[in-house]
Amino acid sequence: DTGVSQNPRHKITKRGQNVTFRCDPISEHNRLYWYRQTLGQGPEFLTYFQNEAQLEKSRLLSDRFSAERPKGSFSTLEIQRTEQGDSAMYLCASSGPGADHQETQYFGPGTRLLVL
Amino acid sequence: KQEVTQIPAALSVPEGENLVLNCSFTDSAIYNLQWFRQDPGKGLTSLLLIQSSQREQTSGRLNASLDKSSGRSTLYIAASQPGDSATYLCAVVKYSGAGSYQLTFGKGTKLSVIP
Repeated sequence: DTGVSQNPRHKITKRGQNVTFRCDPISEHNRLYWYRQTLGQGPEFLTYFQNEAQLEKSRLLSDRFSAERPKGSFSTLEIQRTEQGDSAMYLCASSGPGADHQETQYFGPGTRLLVL
Repeated sequence: KQEVTQIPAALSVPEGENLVLNCSFTDSAIYNLQWFRQDPGKGLTSLLLIQSSQREQTSGRLNASLDKSSGRSTLYIAASQPGDSATYLCAVVKYSGAGSYQLTFGKGTKLSVIP
C-alpha cells in the first residue's frame, strides 16, 4: 500500500488546451473523490465515485470538466478548453474498507495546474 | 449551505508554547469532523477524526474537541515544535445519501513555530 498517487504533479498549459490528470487510489478503496484547491482556500468538492459509478457532481464541475473511473480502479479528470481560472491544485482522495473509518479520506499529493 | 470558518488565519508562536486553533460551522447536522495538516505545495494528511457523537479525540500532542450543538471545534497542540509549522484545515463531513461522505473545508490556519 503506497497511498494515493497522482500524475502529473505539475502541469503548465496554454489557455484553450485540454489537460488530463490521473489518480490511483489505495487499492482496496471503493470510494474516490476529486477536489480543487485555489491559493489561500480550502479544497472544494468536485465529484465522487463509488466503484466505477459517478454518483455525485458539484455545480463547480462545469461542462468542460469530465471525470471517469473505468473498472473502479484509477480515475481521470479531464479539463477541455482550459481557462486561466482553472489554475489550481487538483486533489484526489480515496476511502473505503480497511481504513479506521470507512469515511476517512486519504489524499494524494495533488496536481498543480497553471494555465497561461 | 454549510460554511466552515477557521480563526485565526495565521498564527506565529515560539517553540514549546501550547496553542489552540478554532473552527466553527453553520450546519450542525454533520456526520463527523476532521482536522488535516497541509505542508506547502503538498496534499493533506489526516490528523484526527471526531465522530458526531464524540466530544474529543487525542493523538500524541494533539487534542481535538467537538461541540456539535454550538457548531465549534478546537484543535489543541501541546508543546509546539518547528516541525508543526504547516496549514491546519478543519473539515466537516456530511453523508450525502448517495454513498458520499462529502467534506466541506475551512480556509485553514497557517501556523509558524519559531525555534
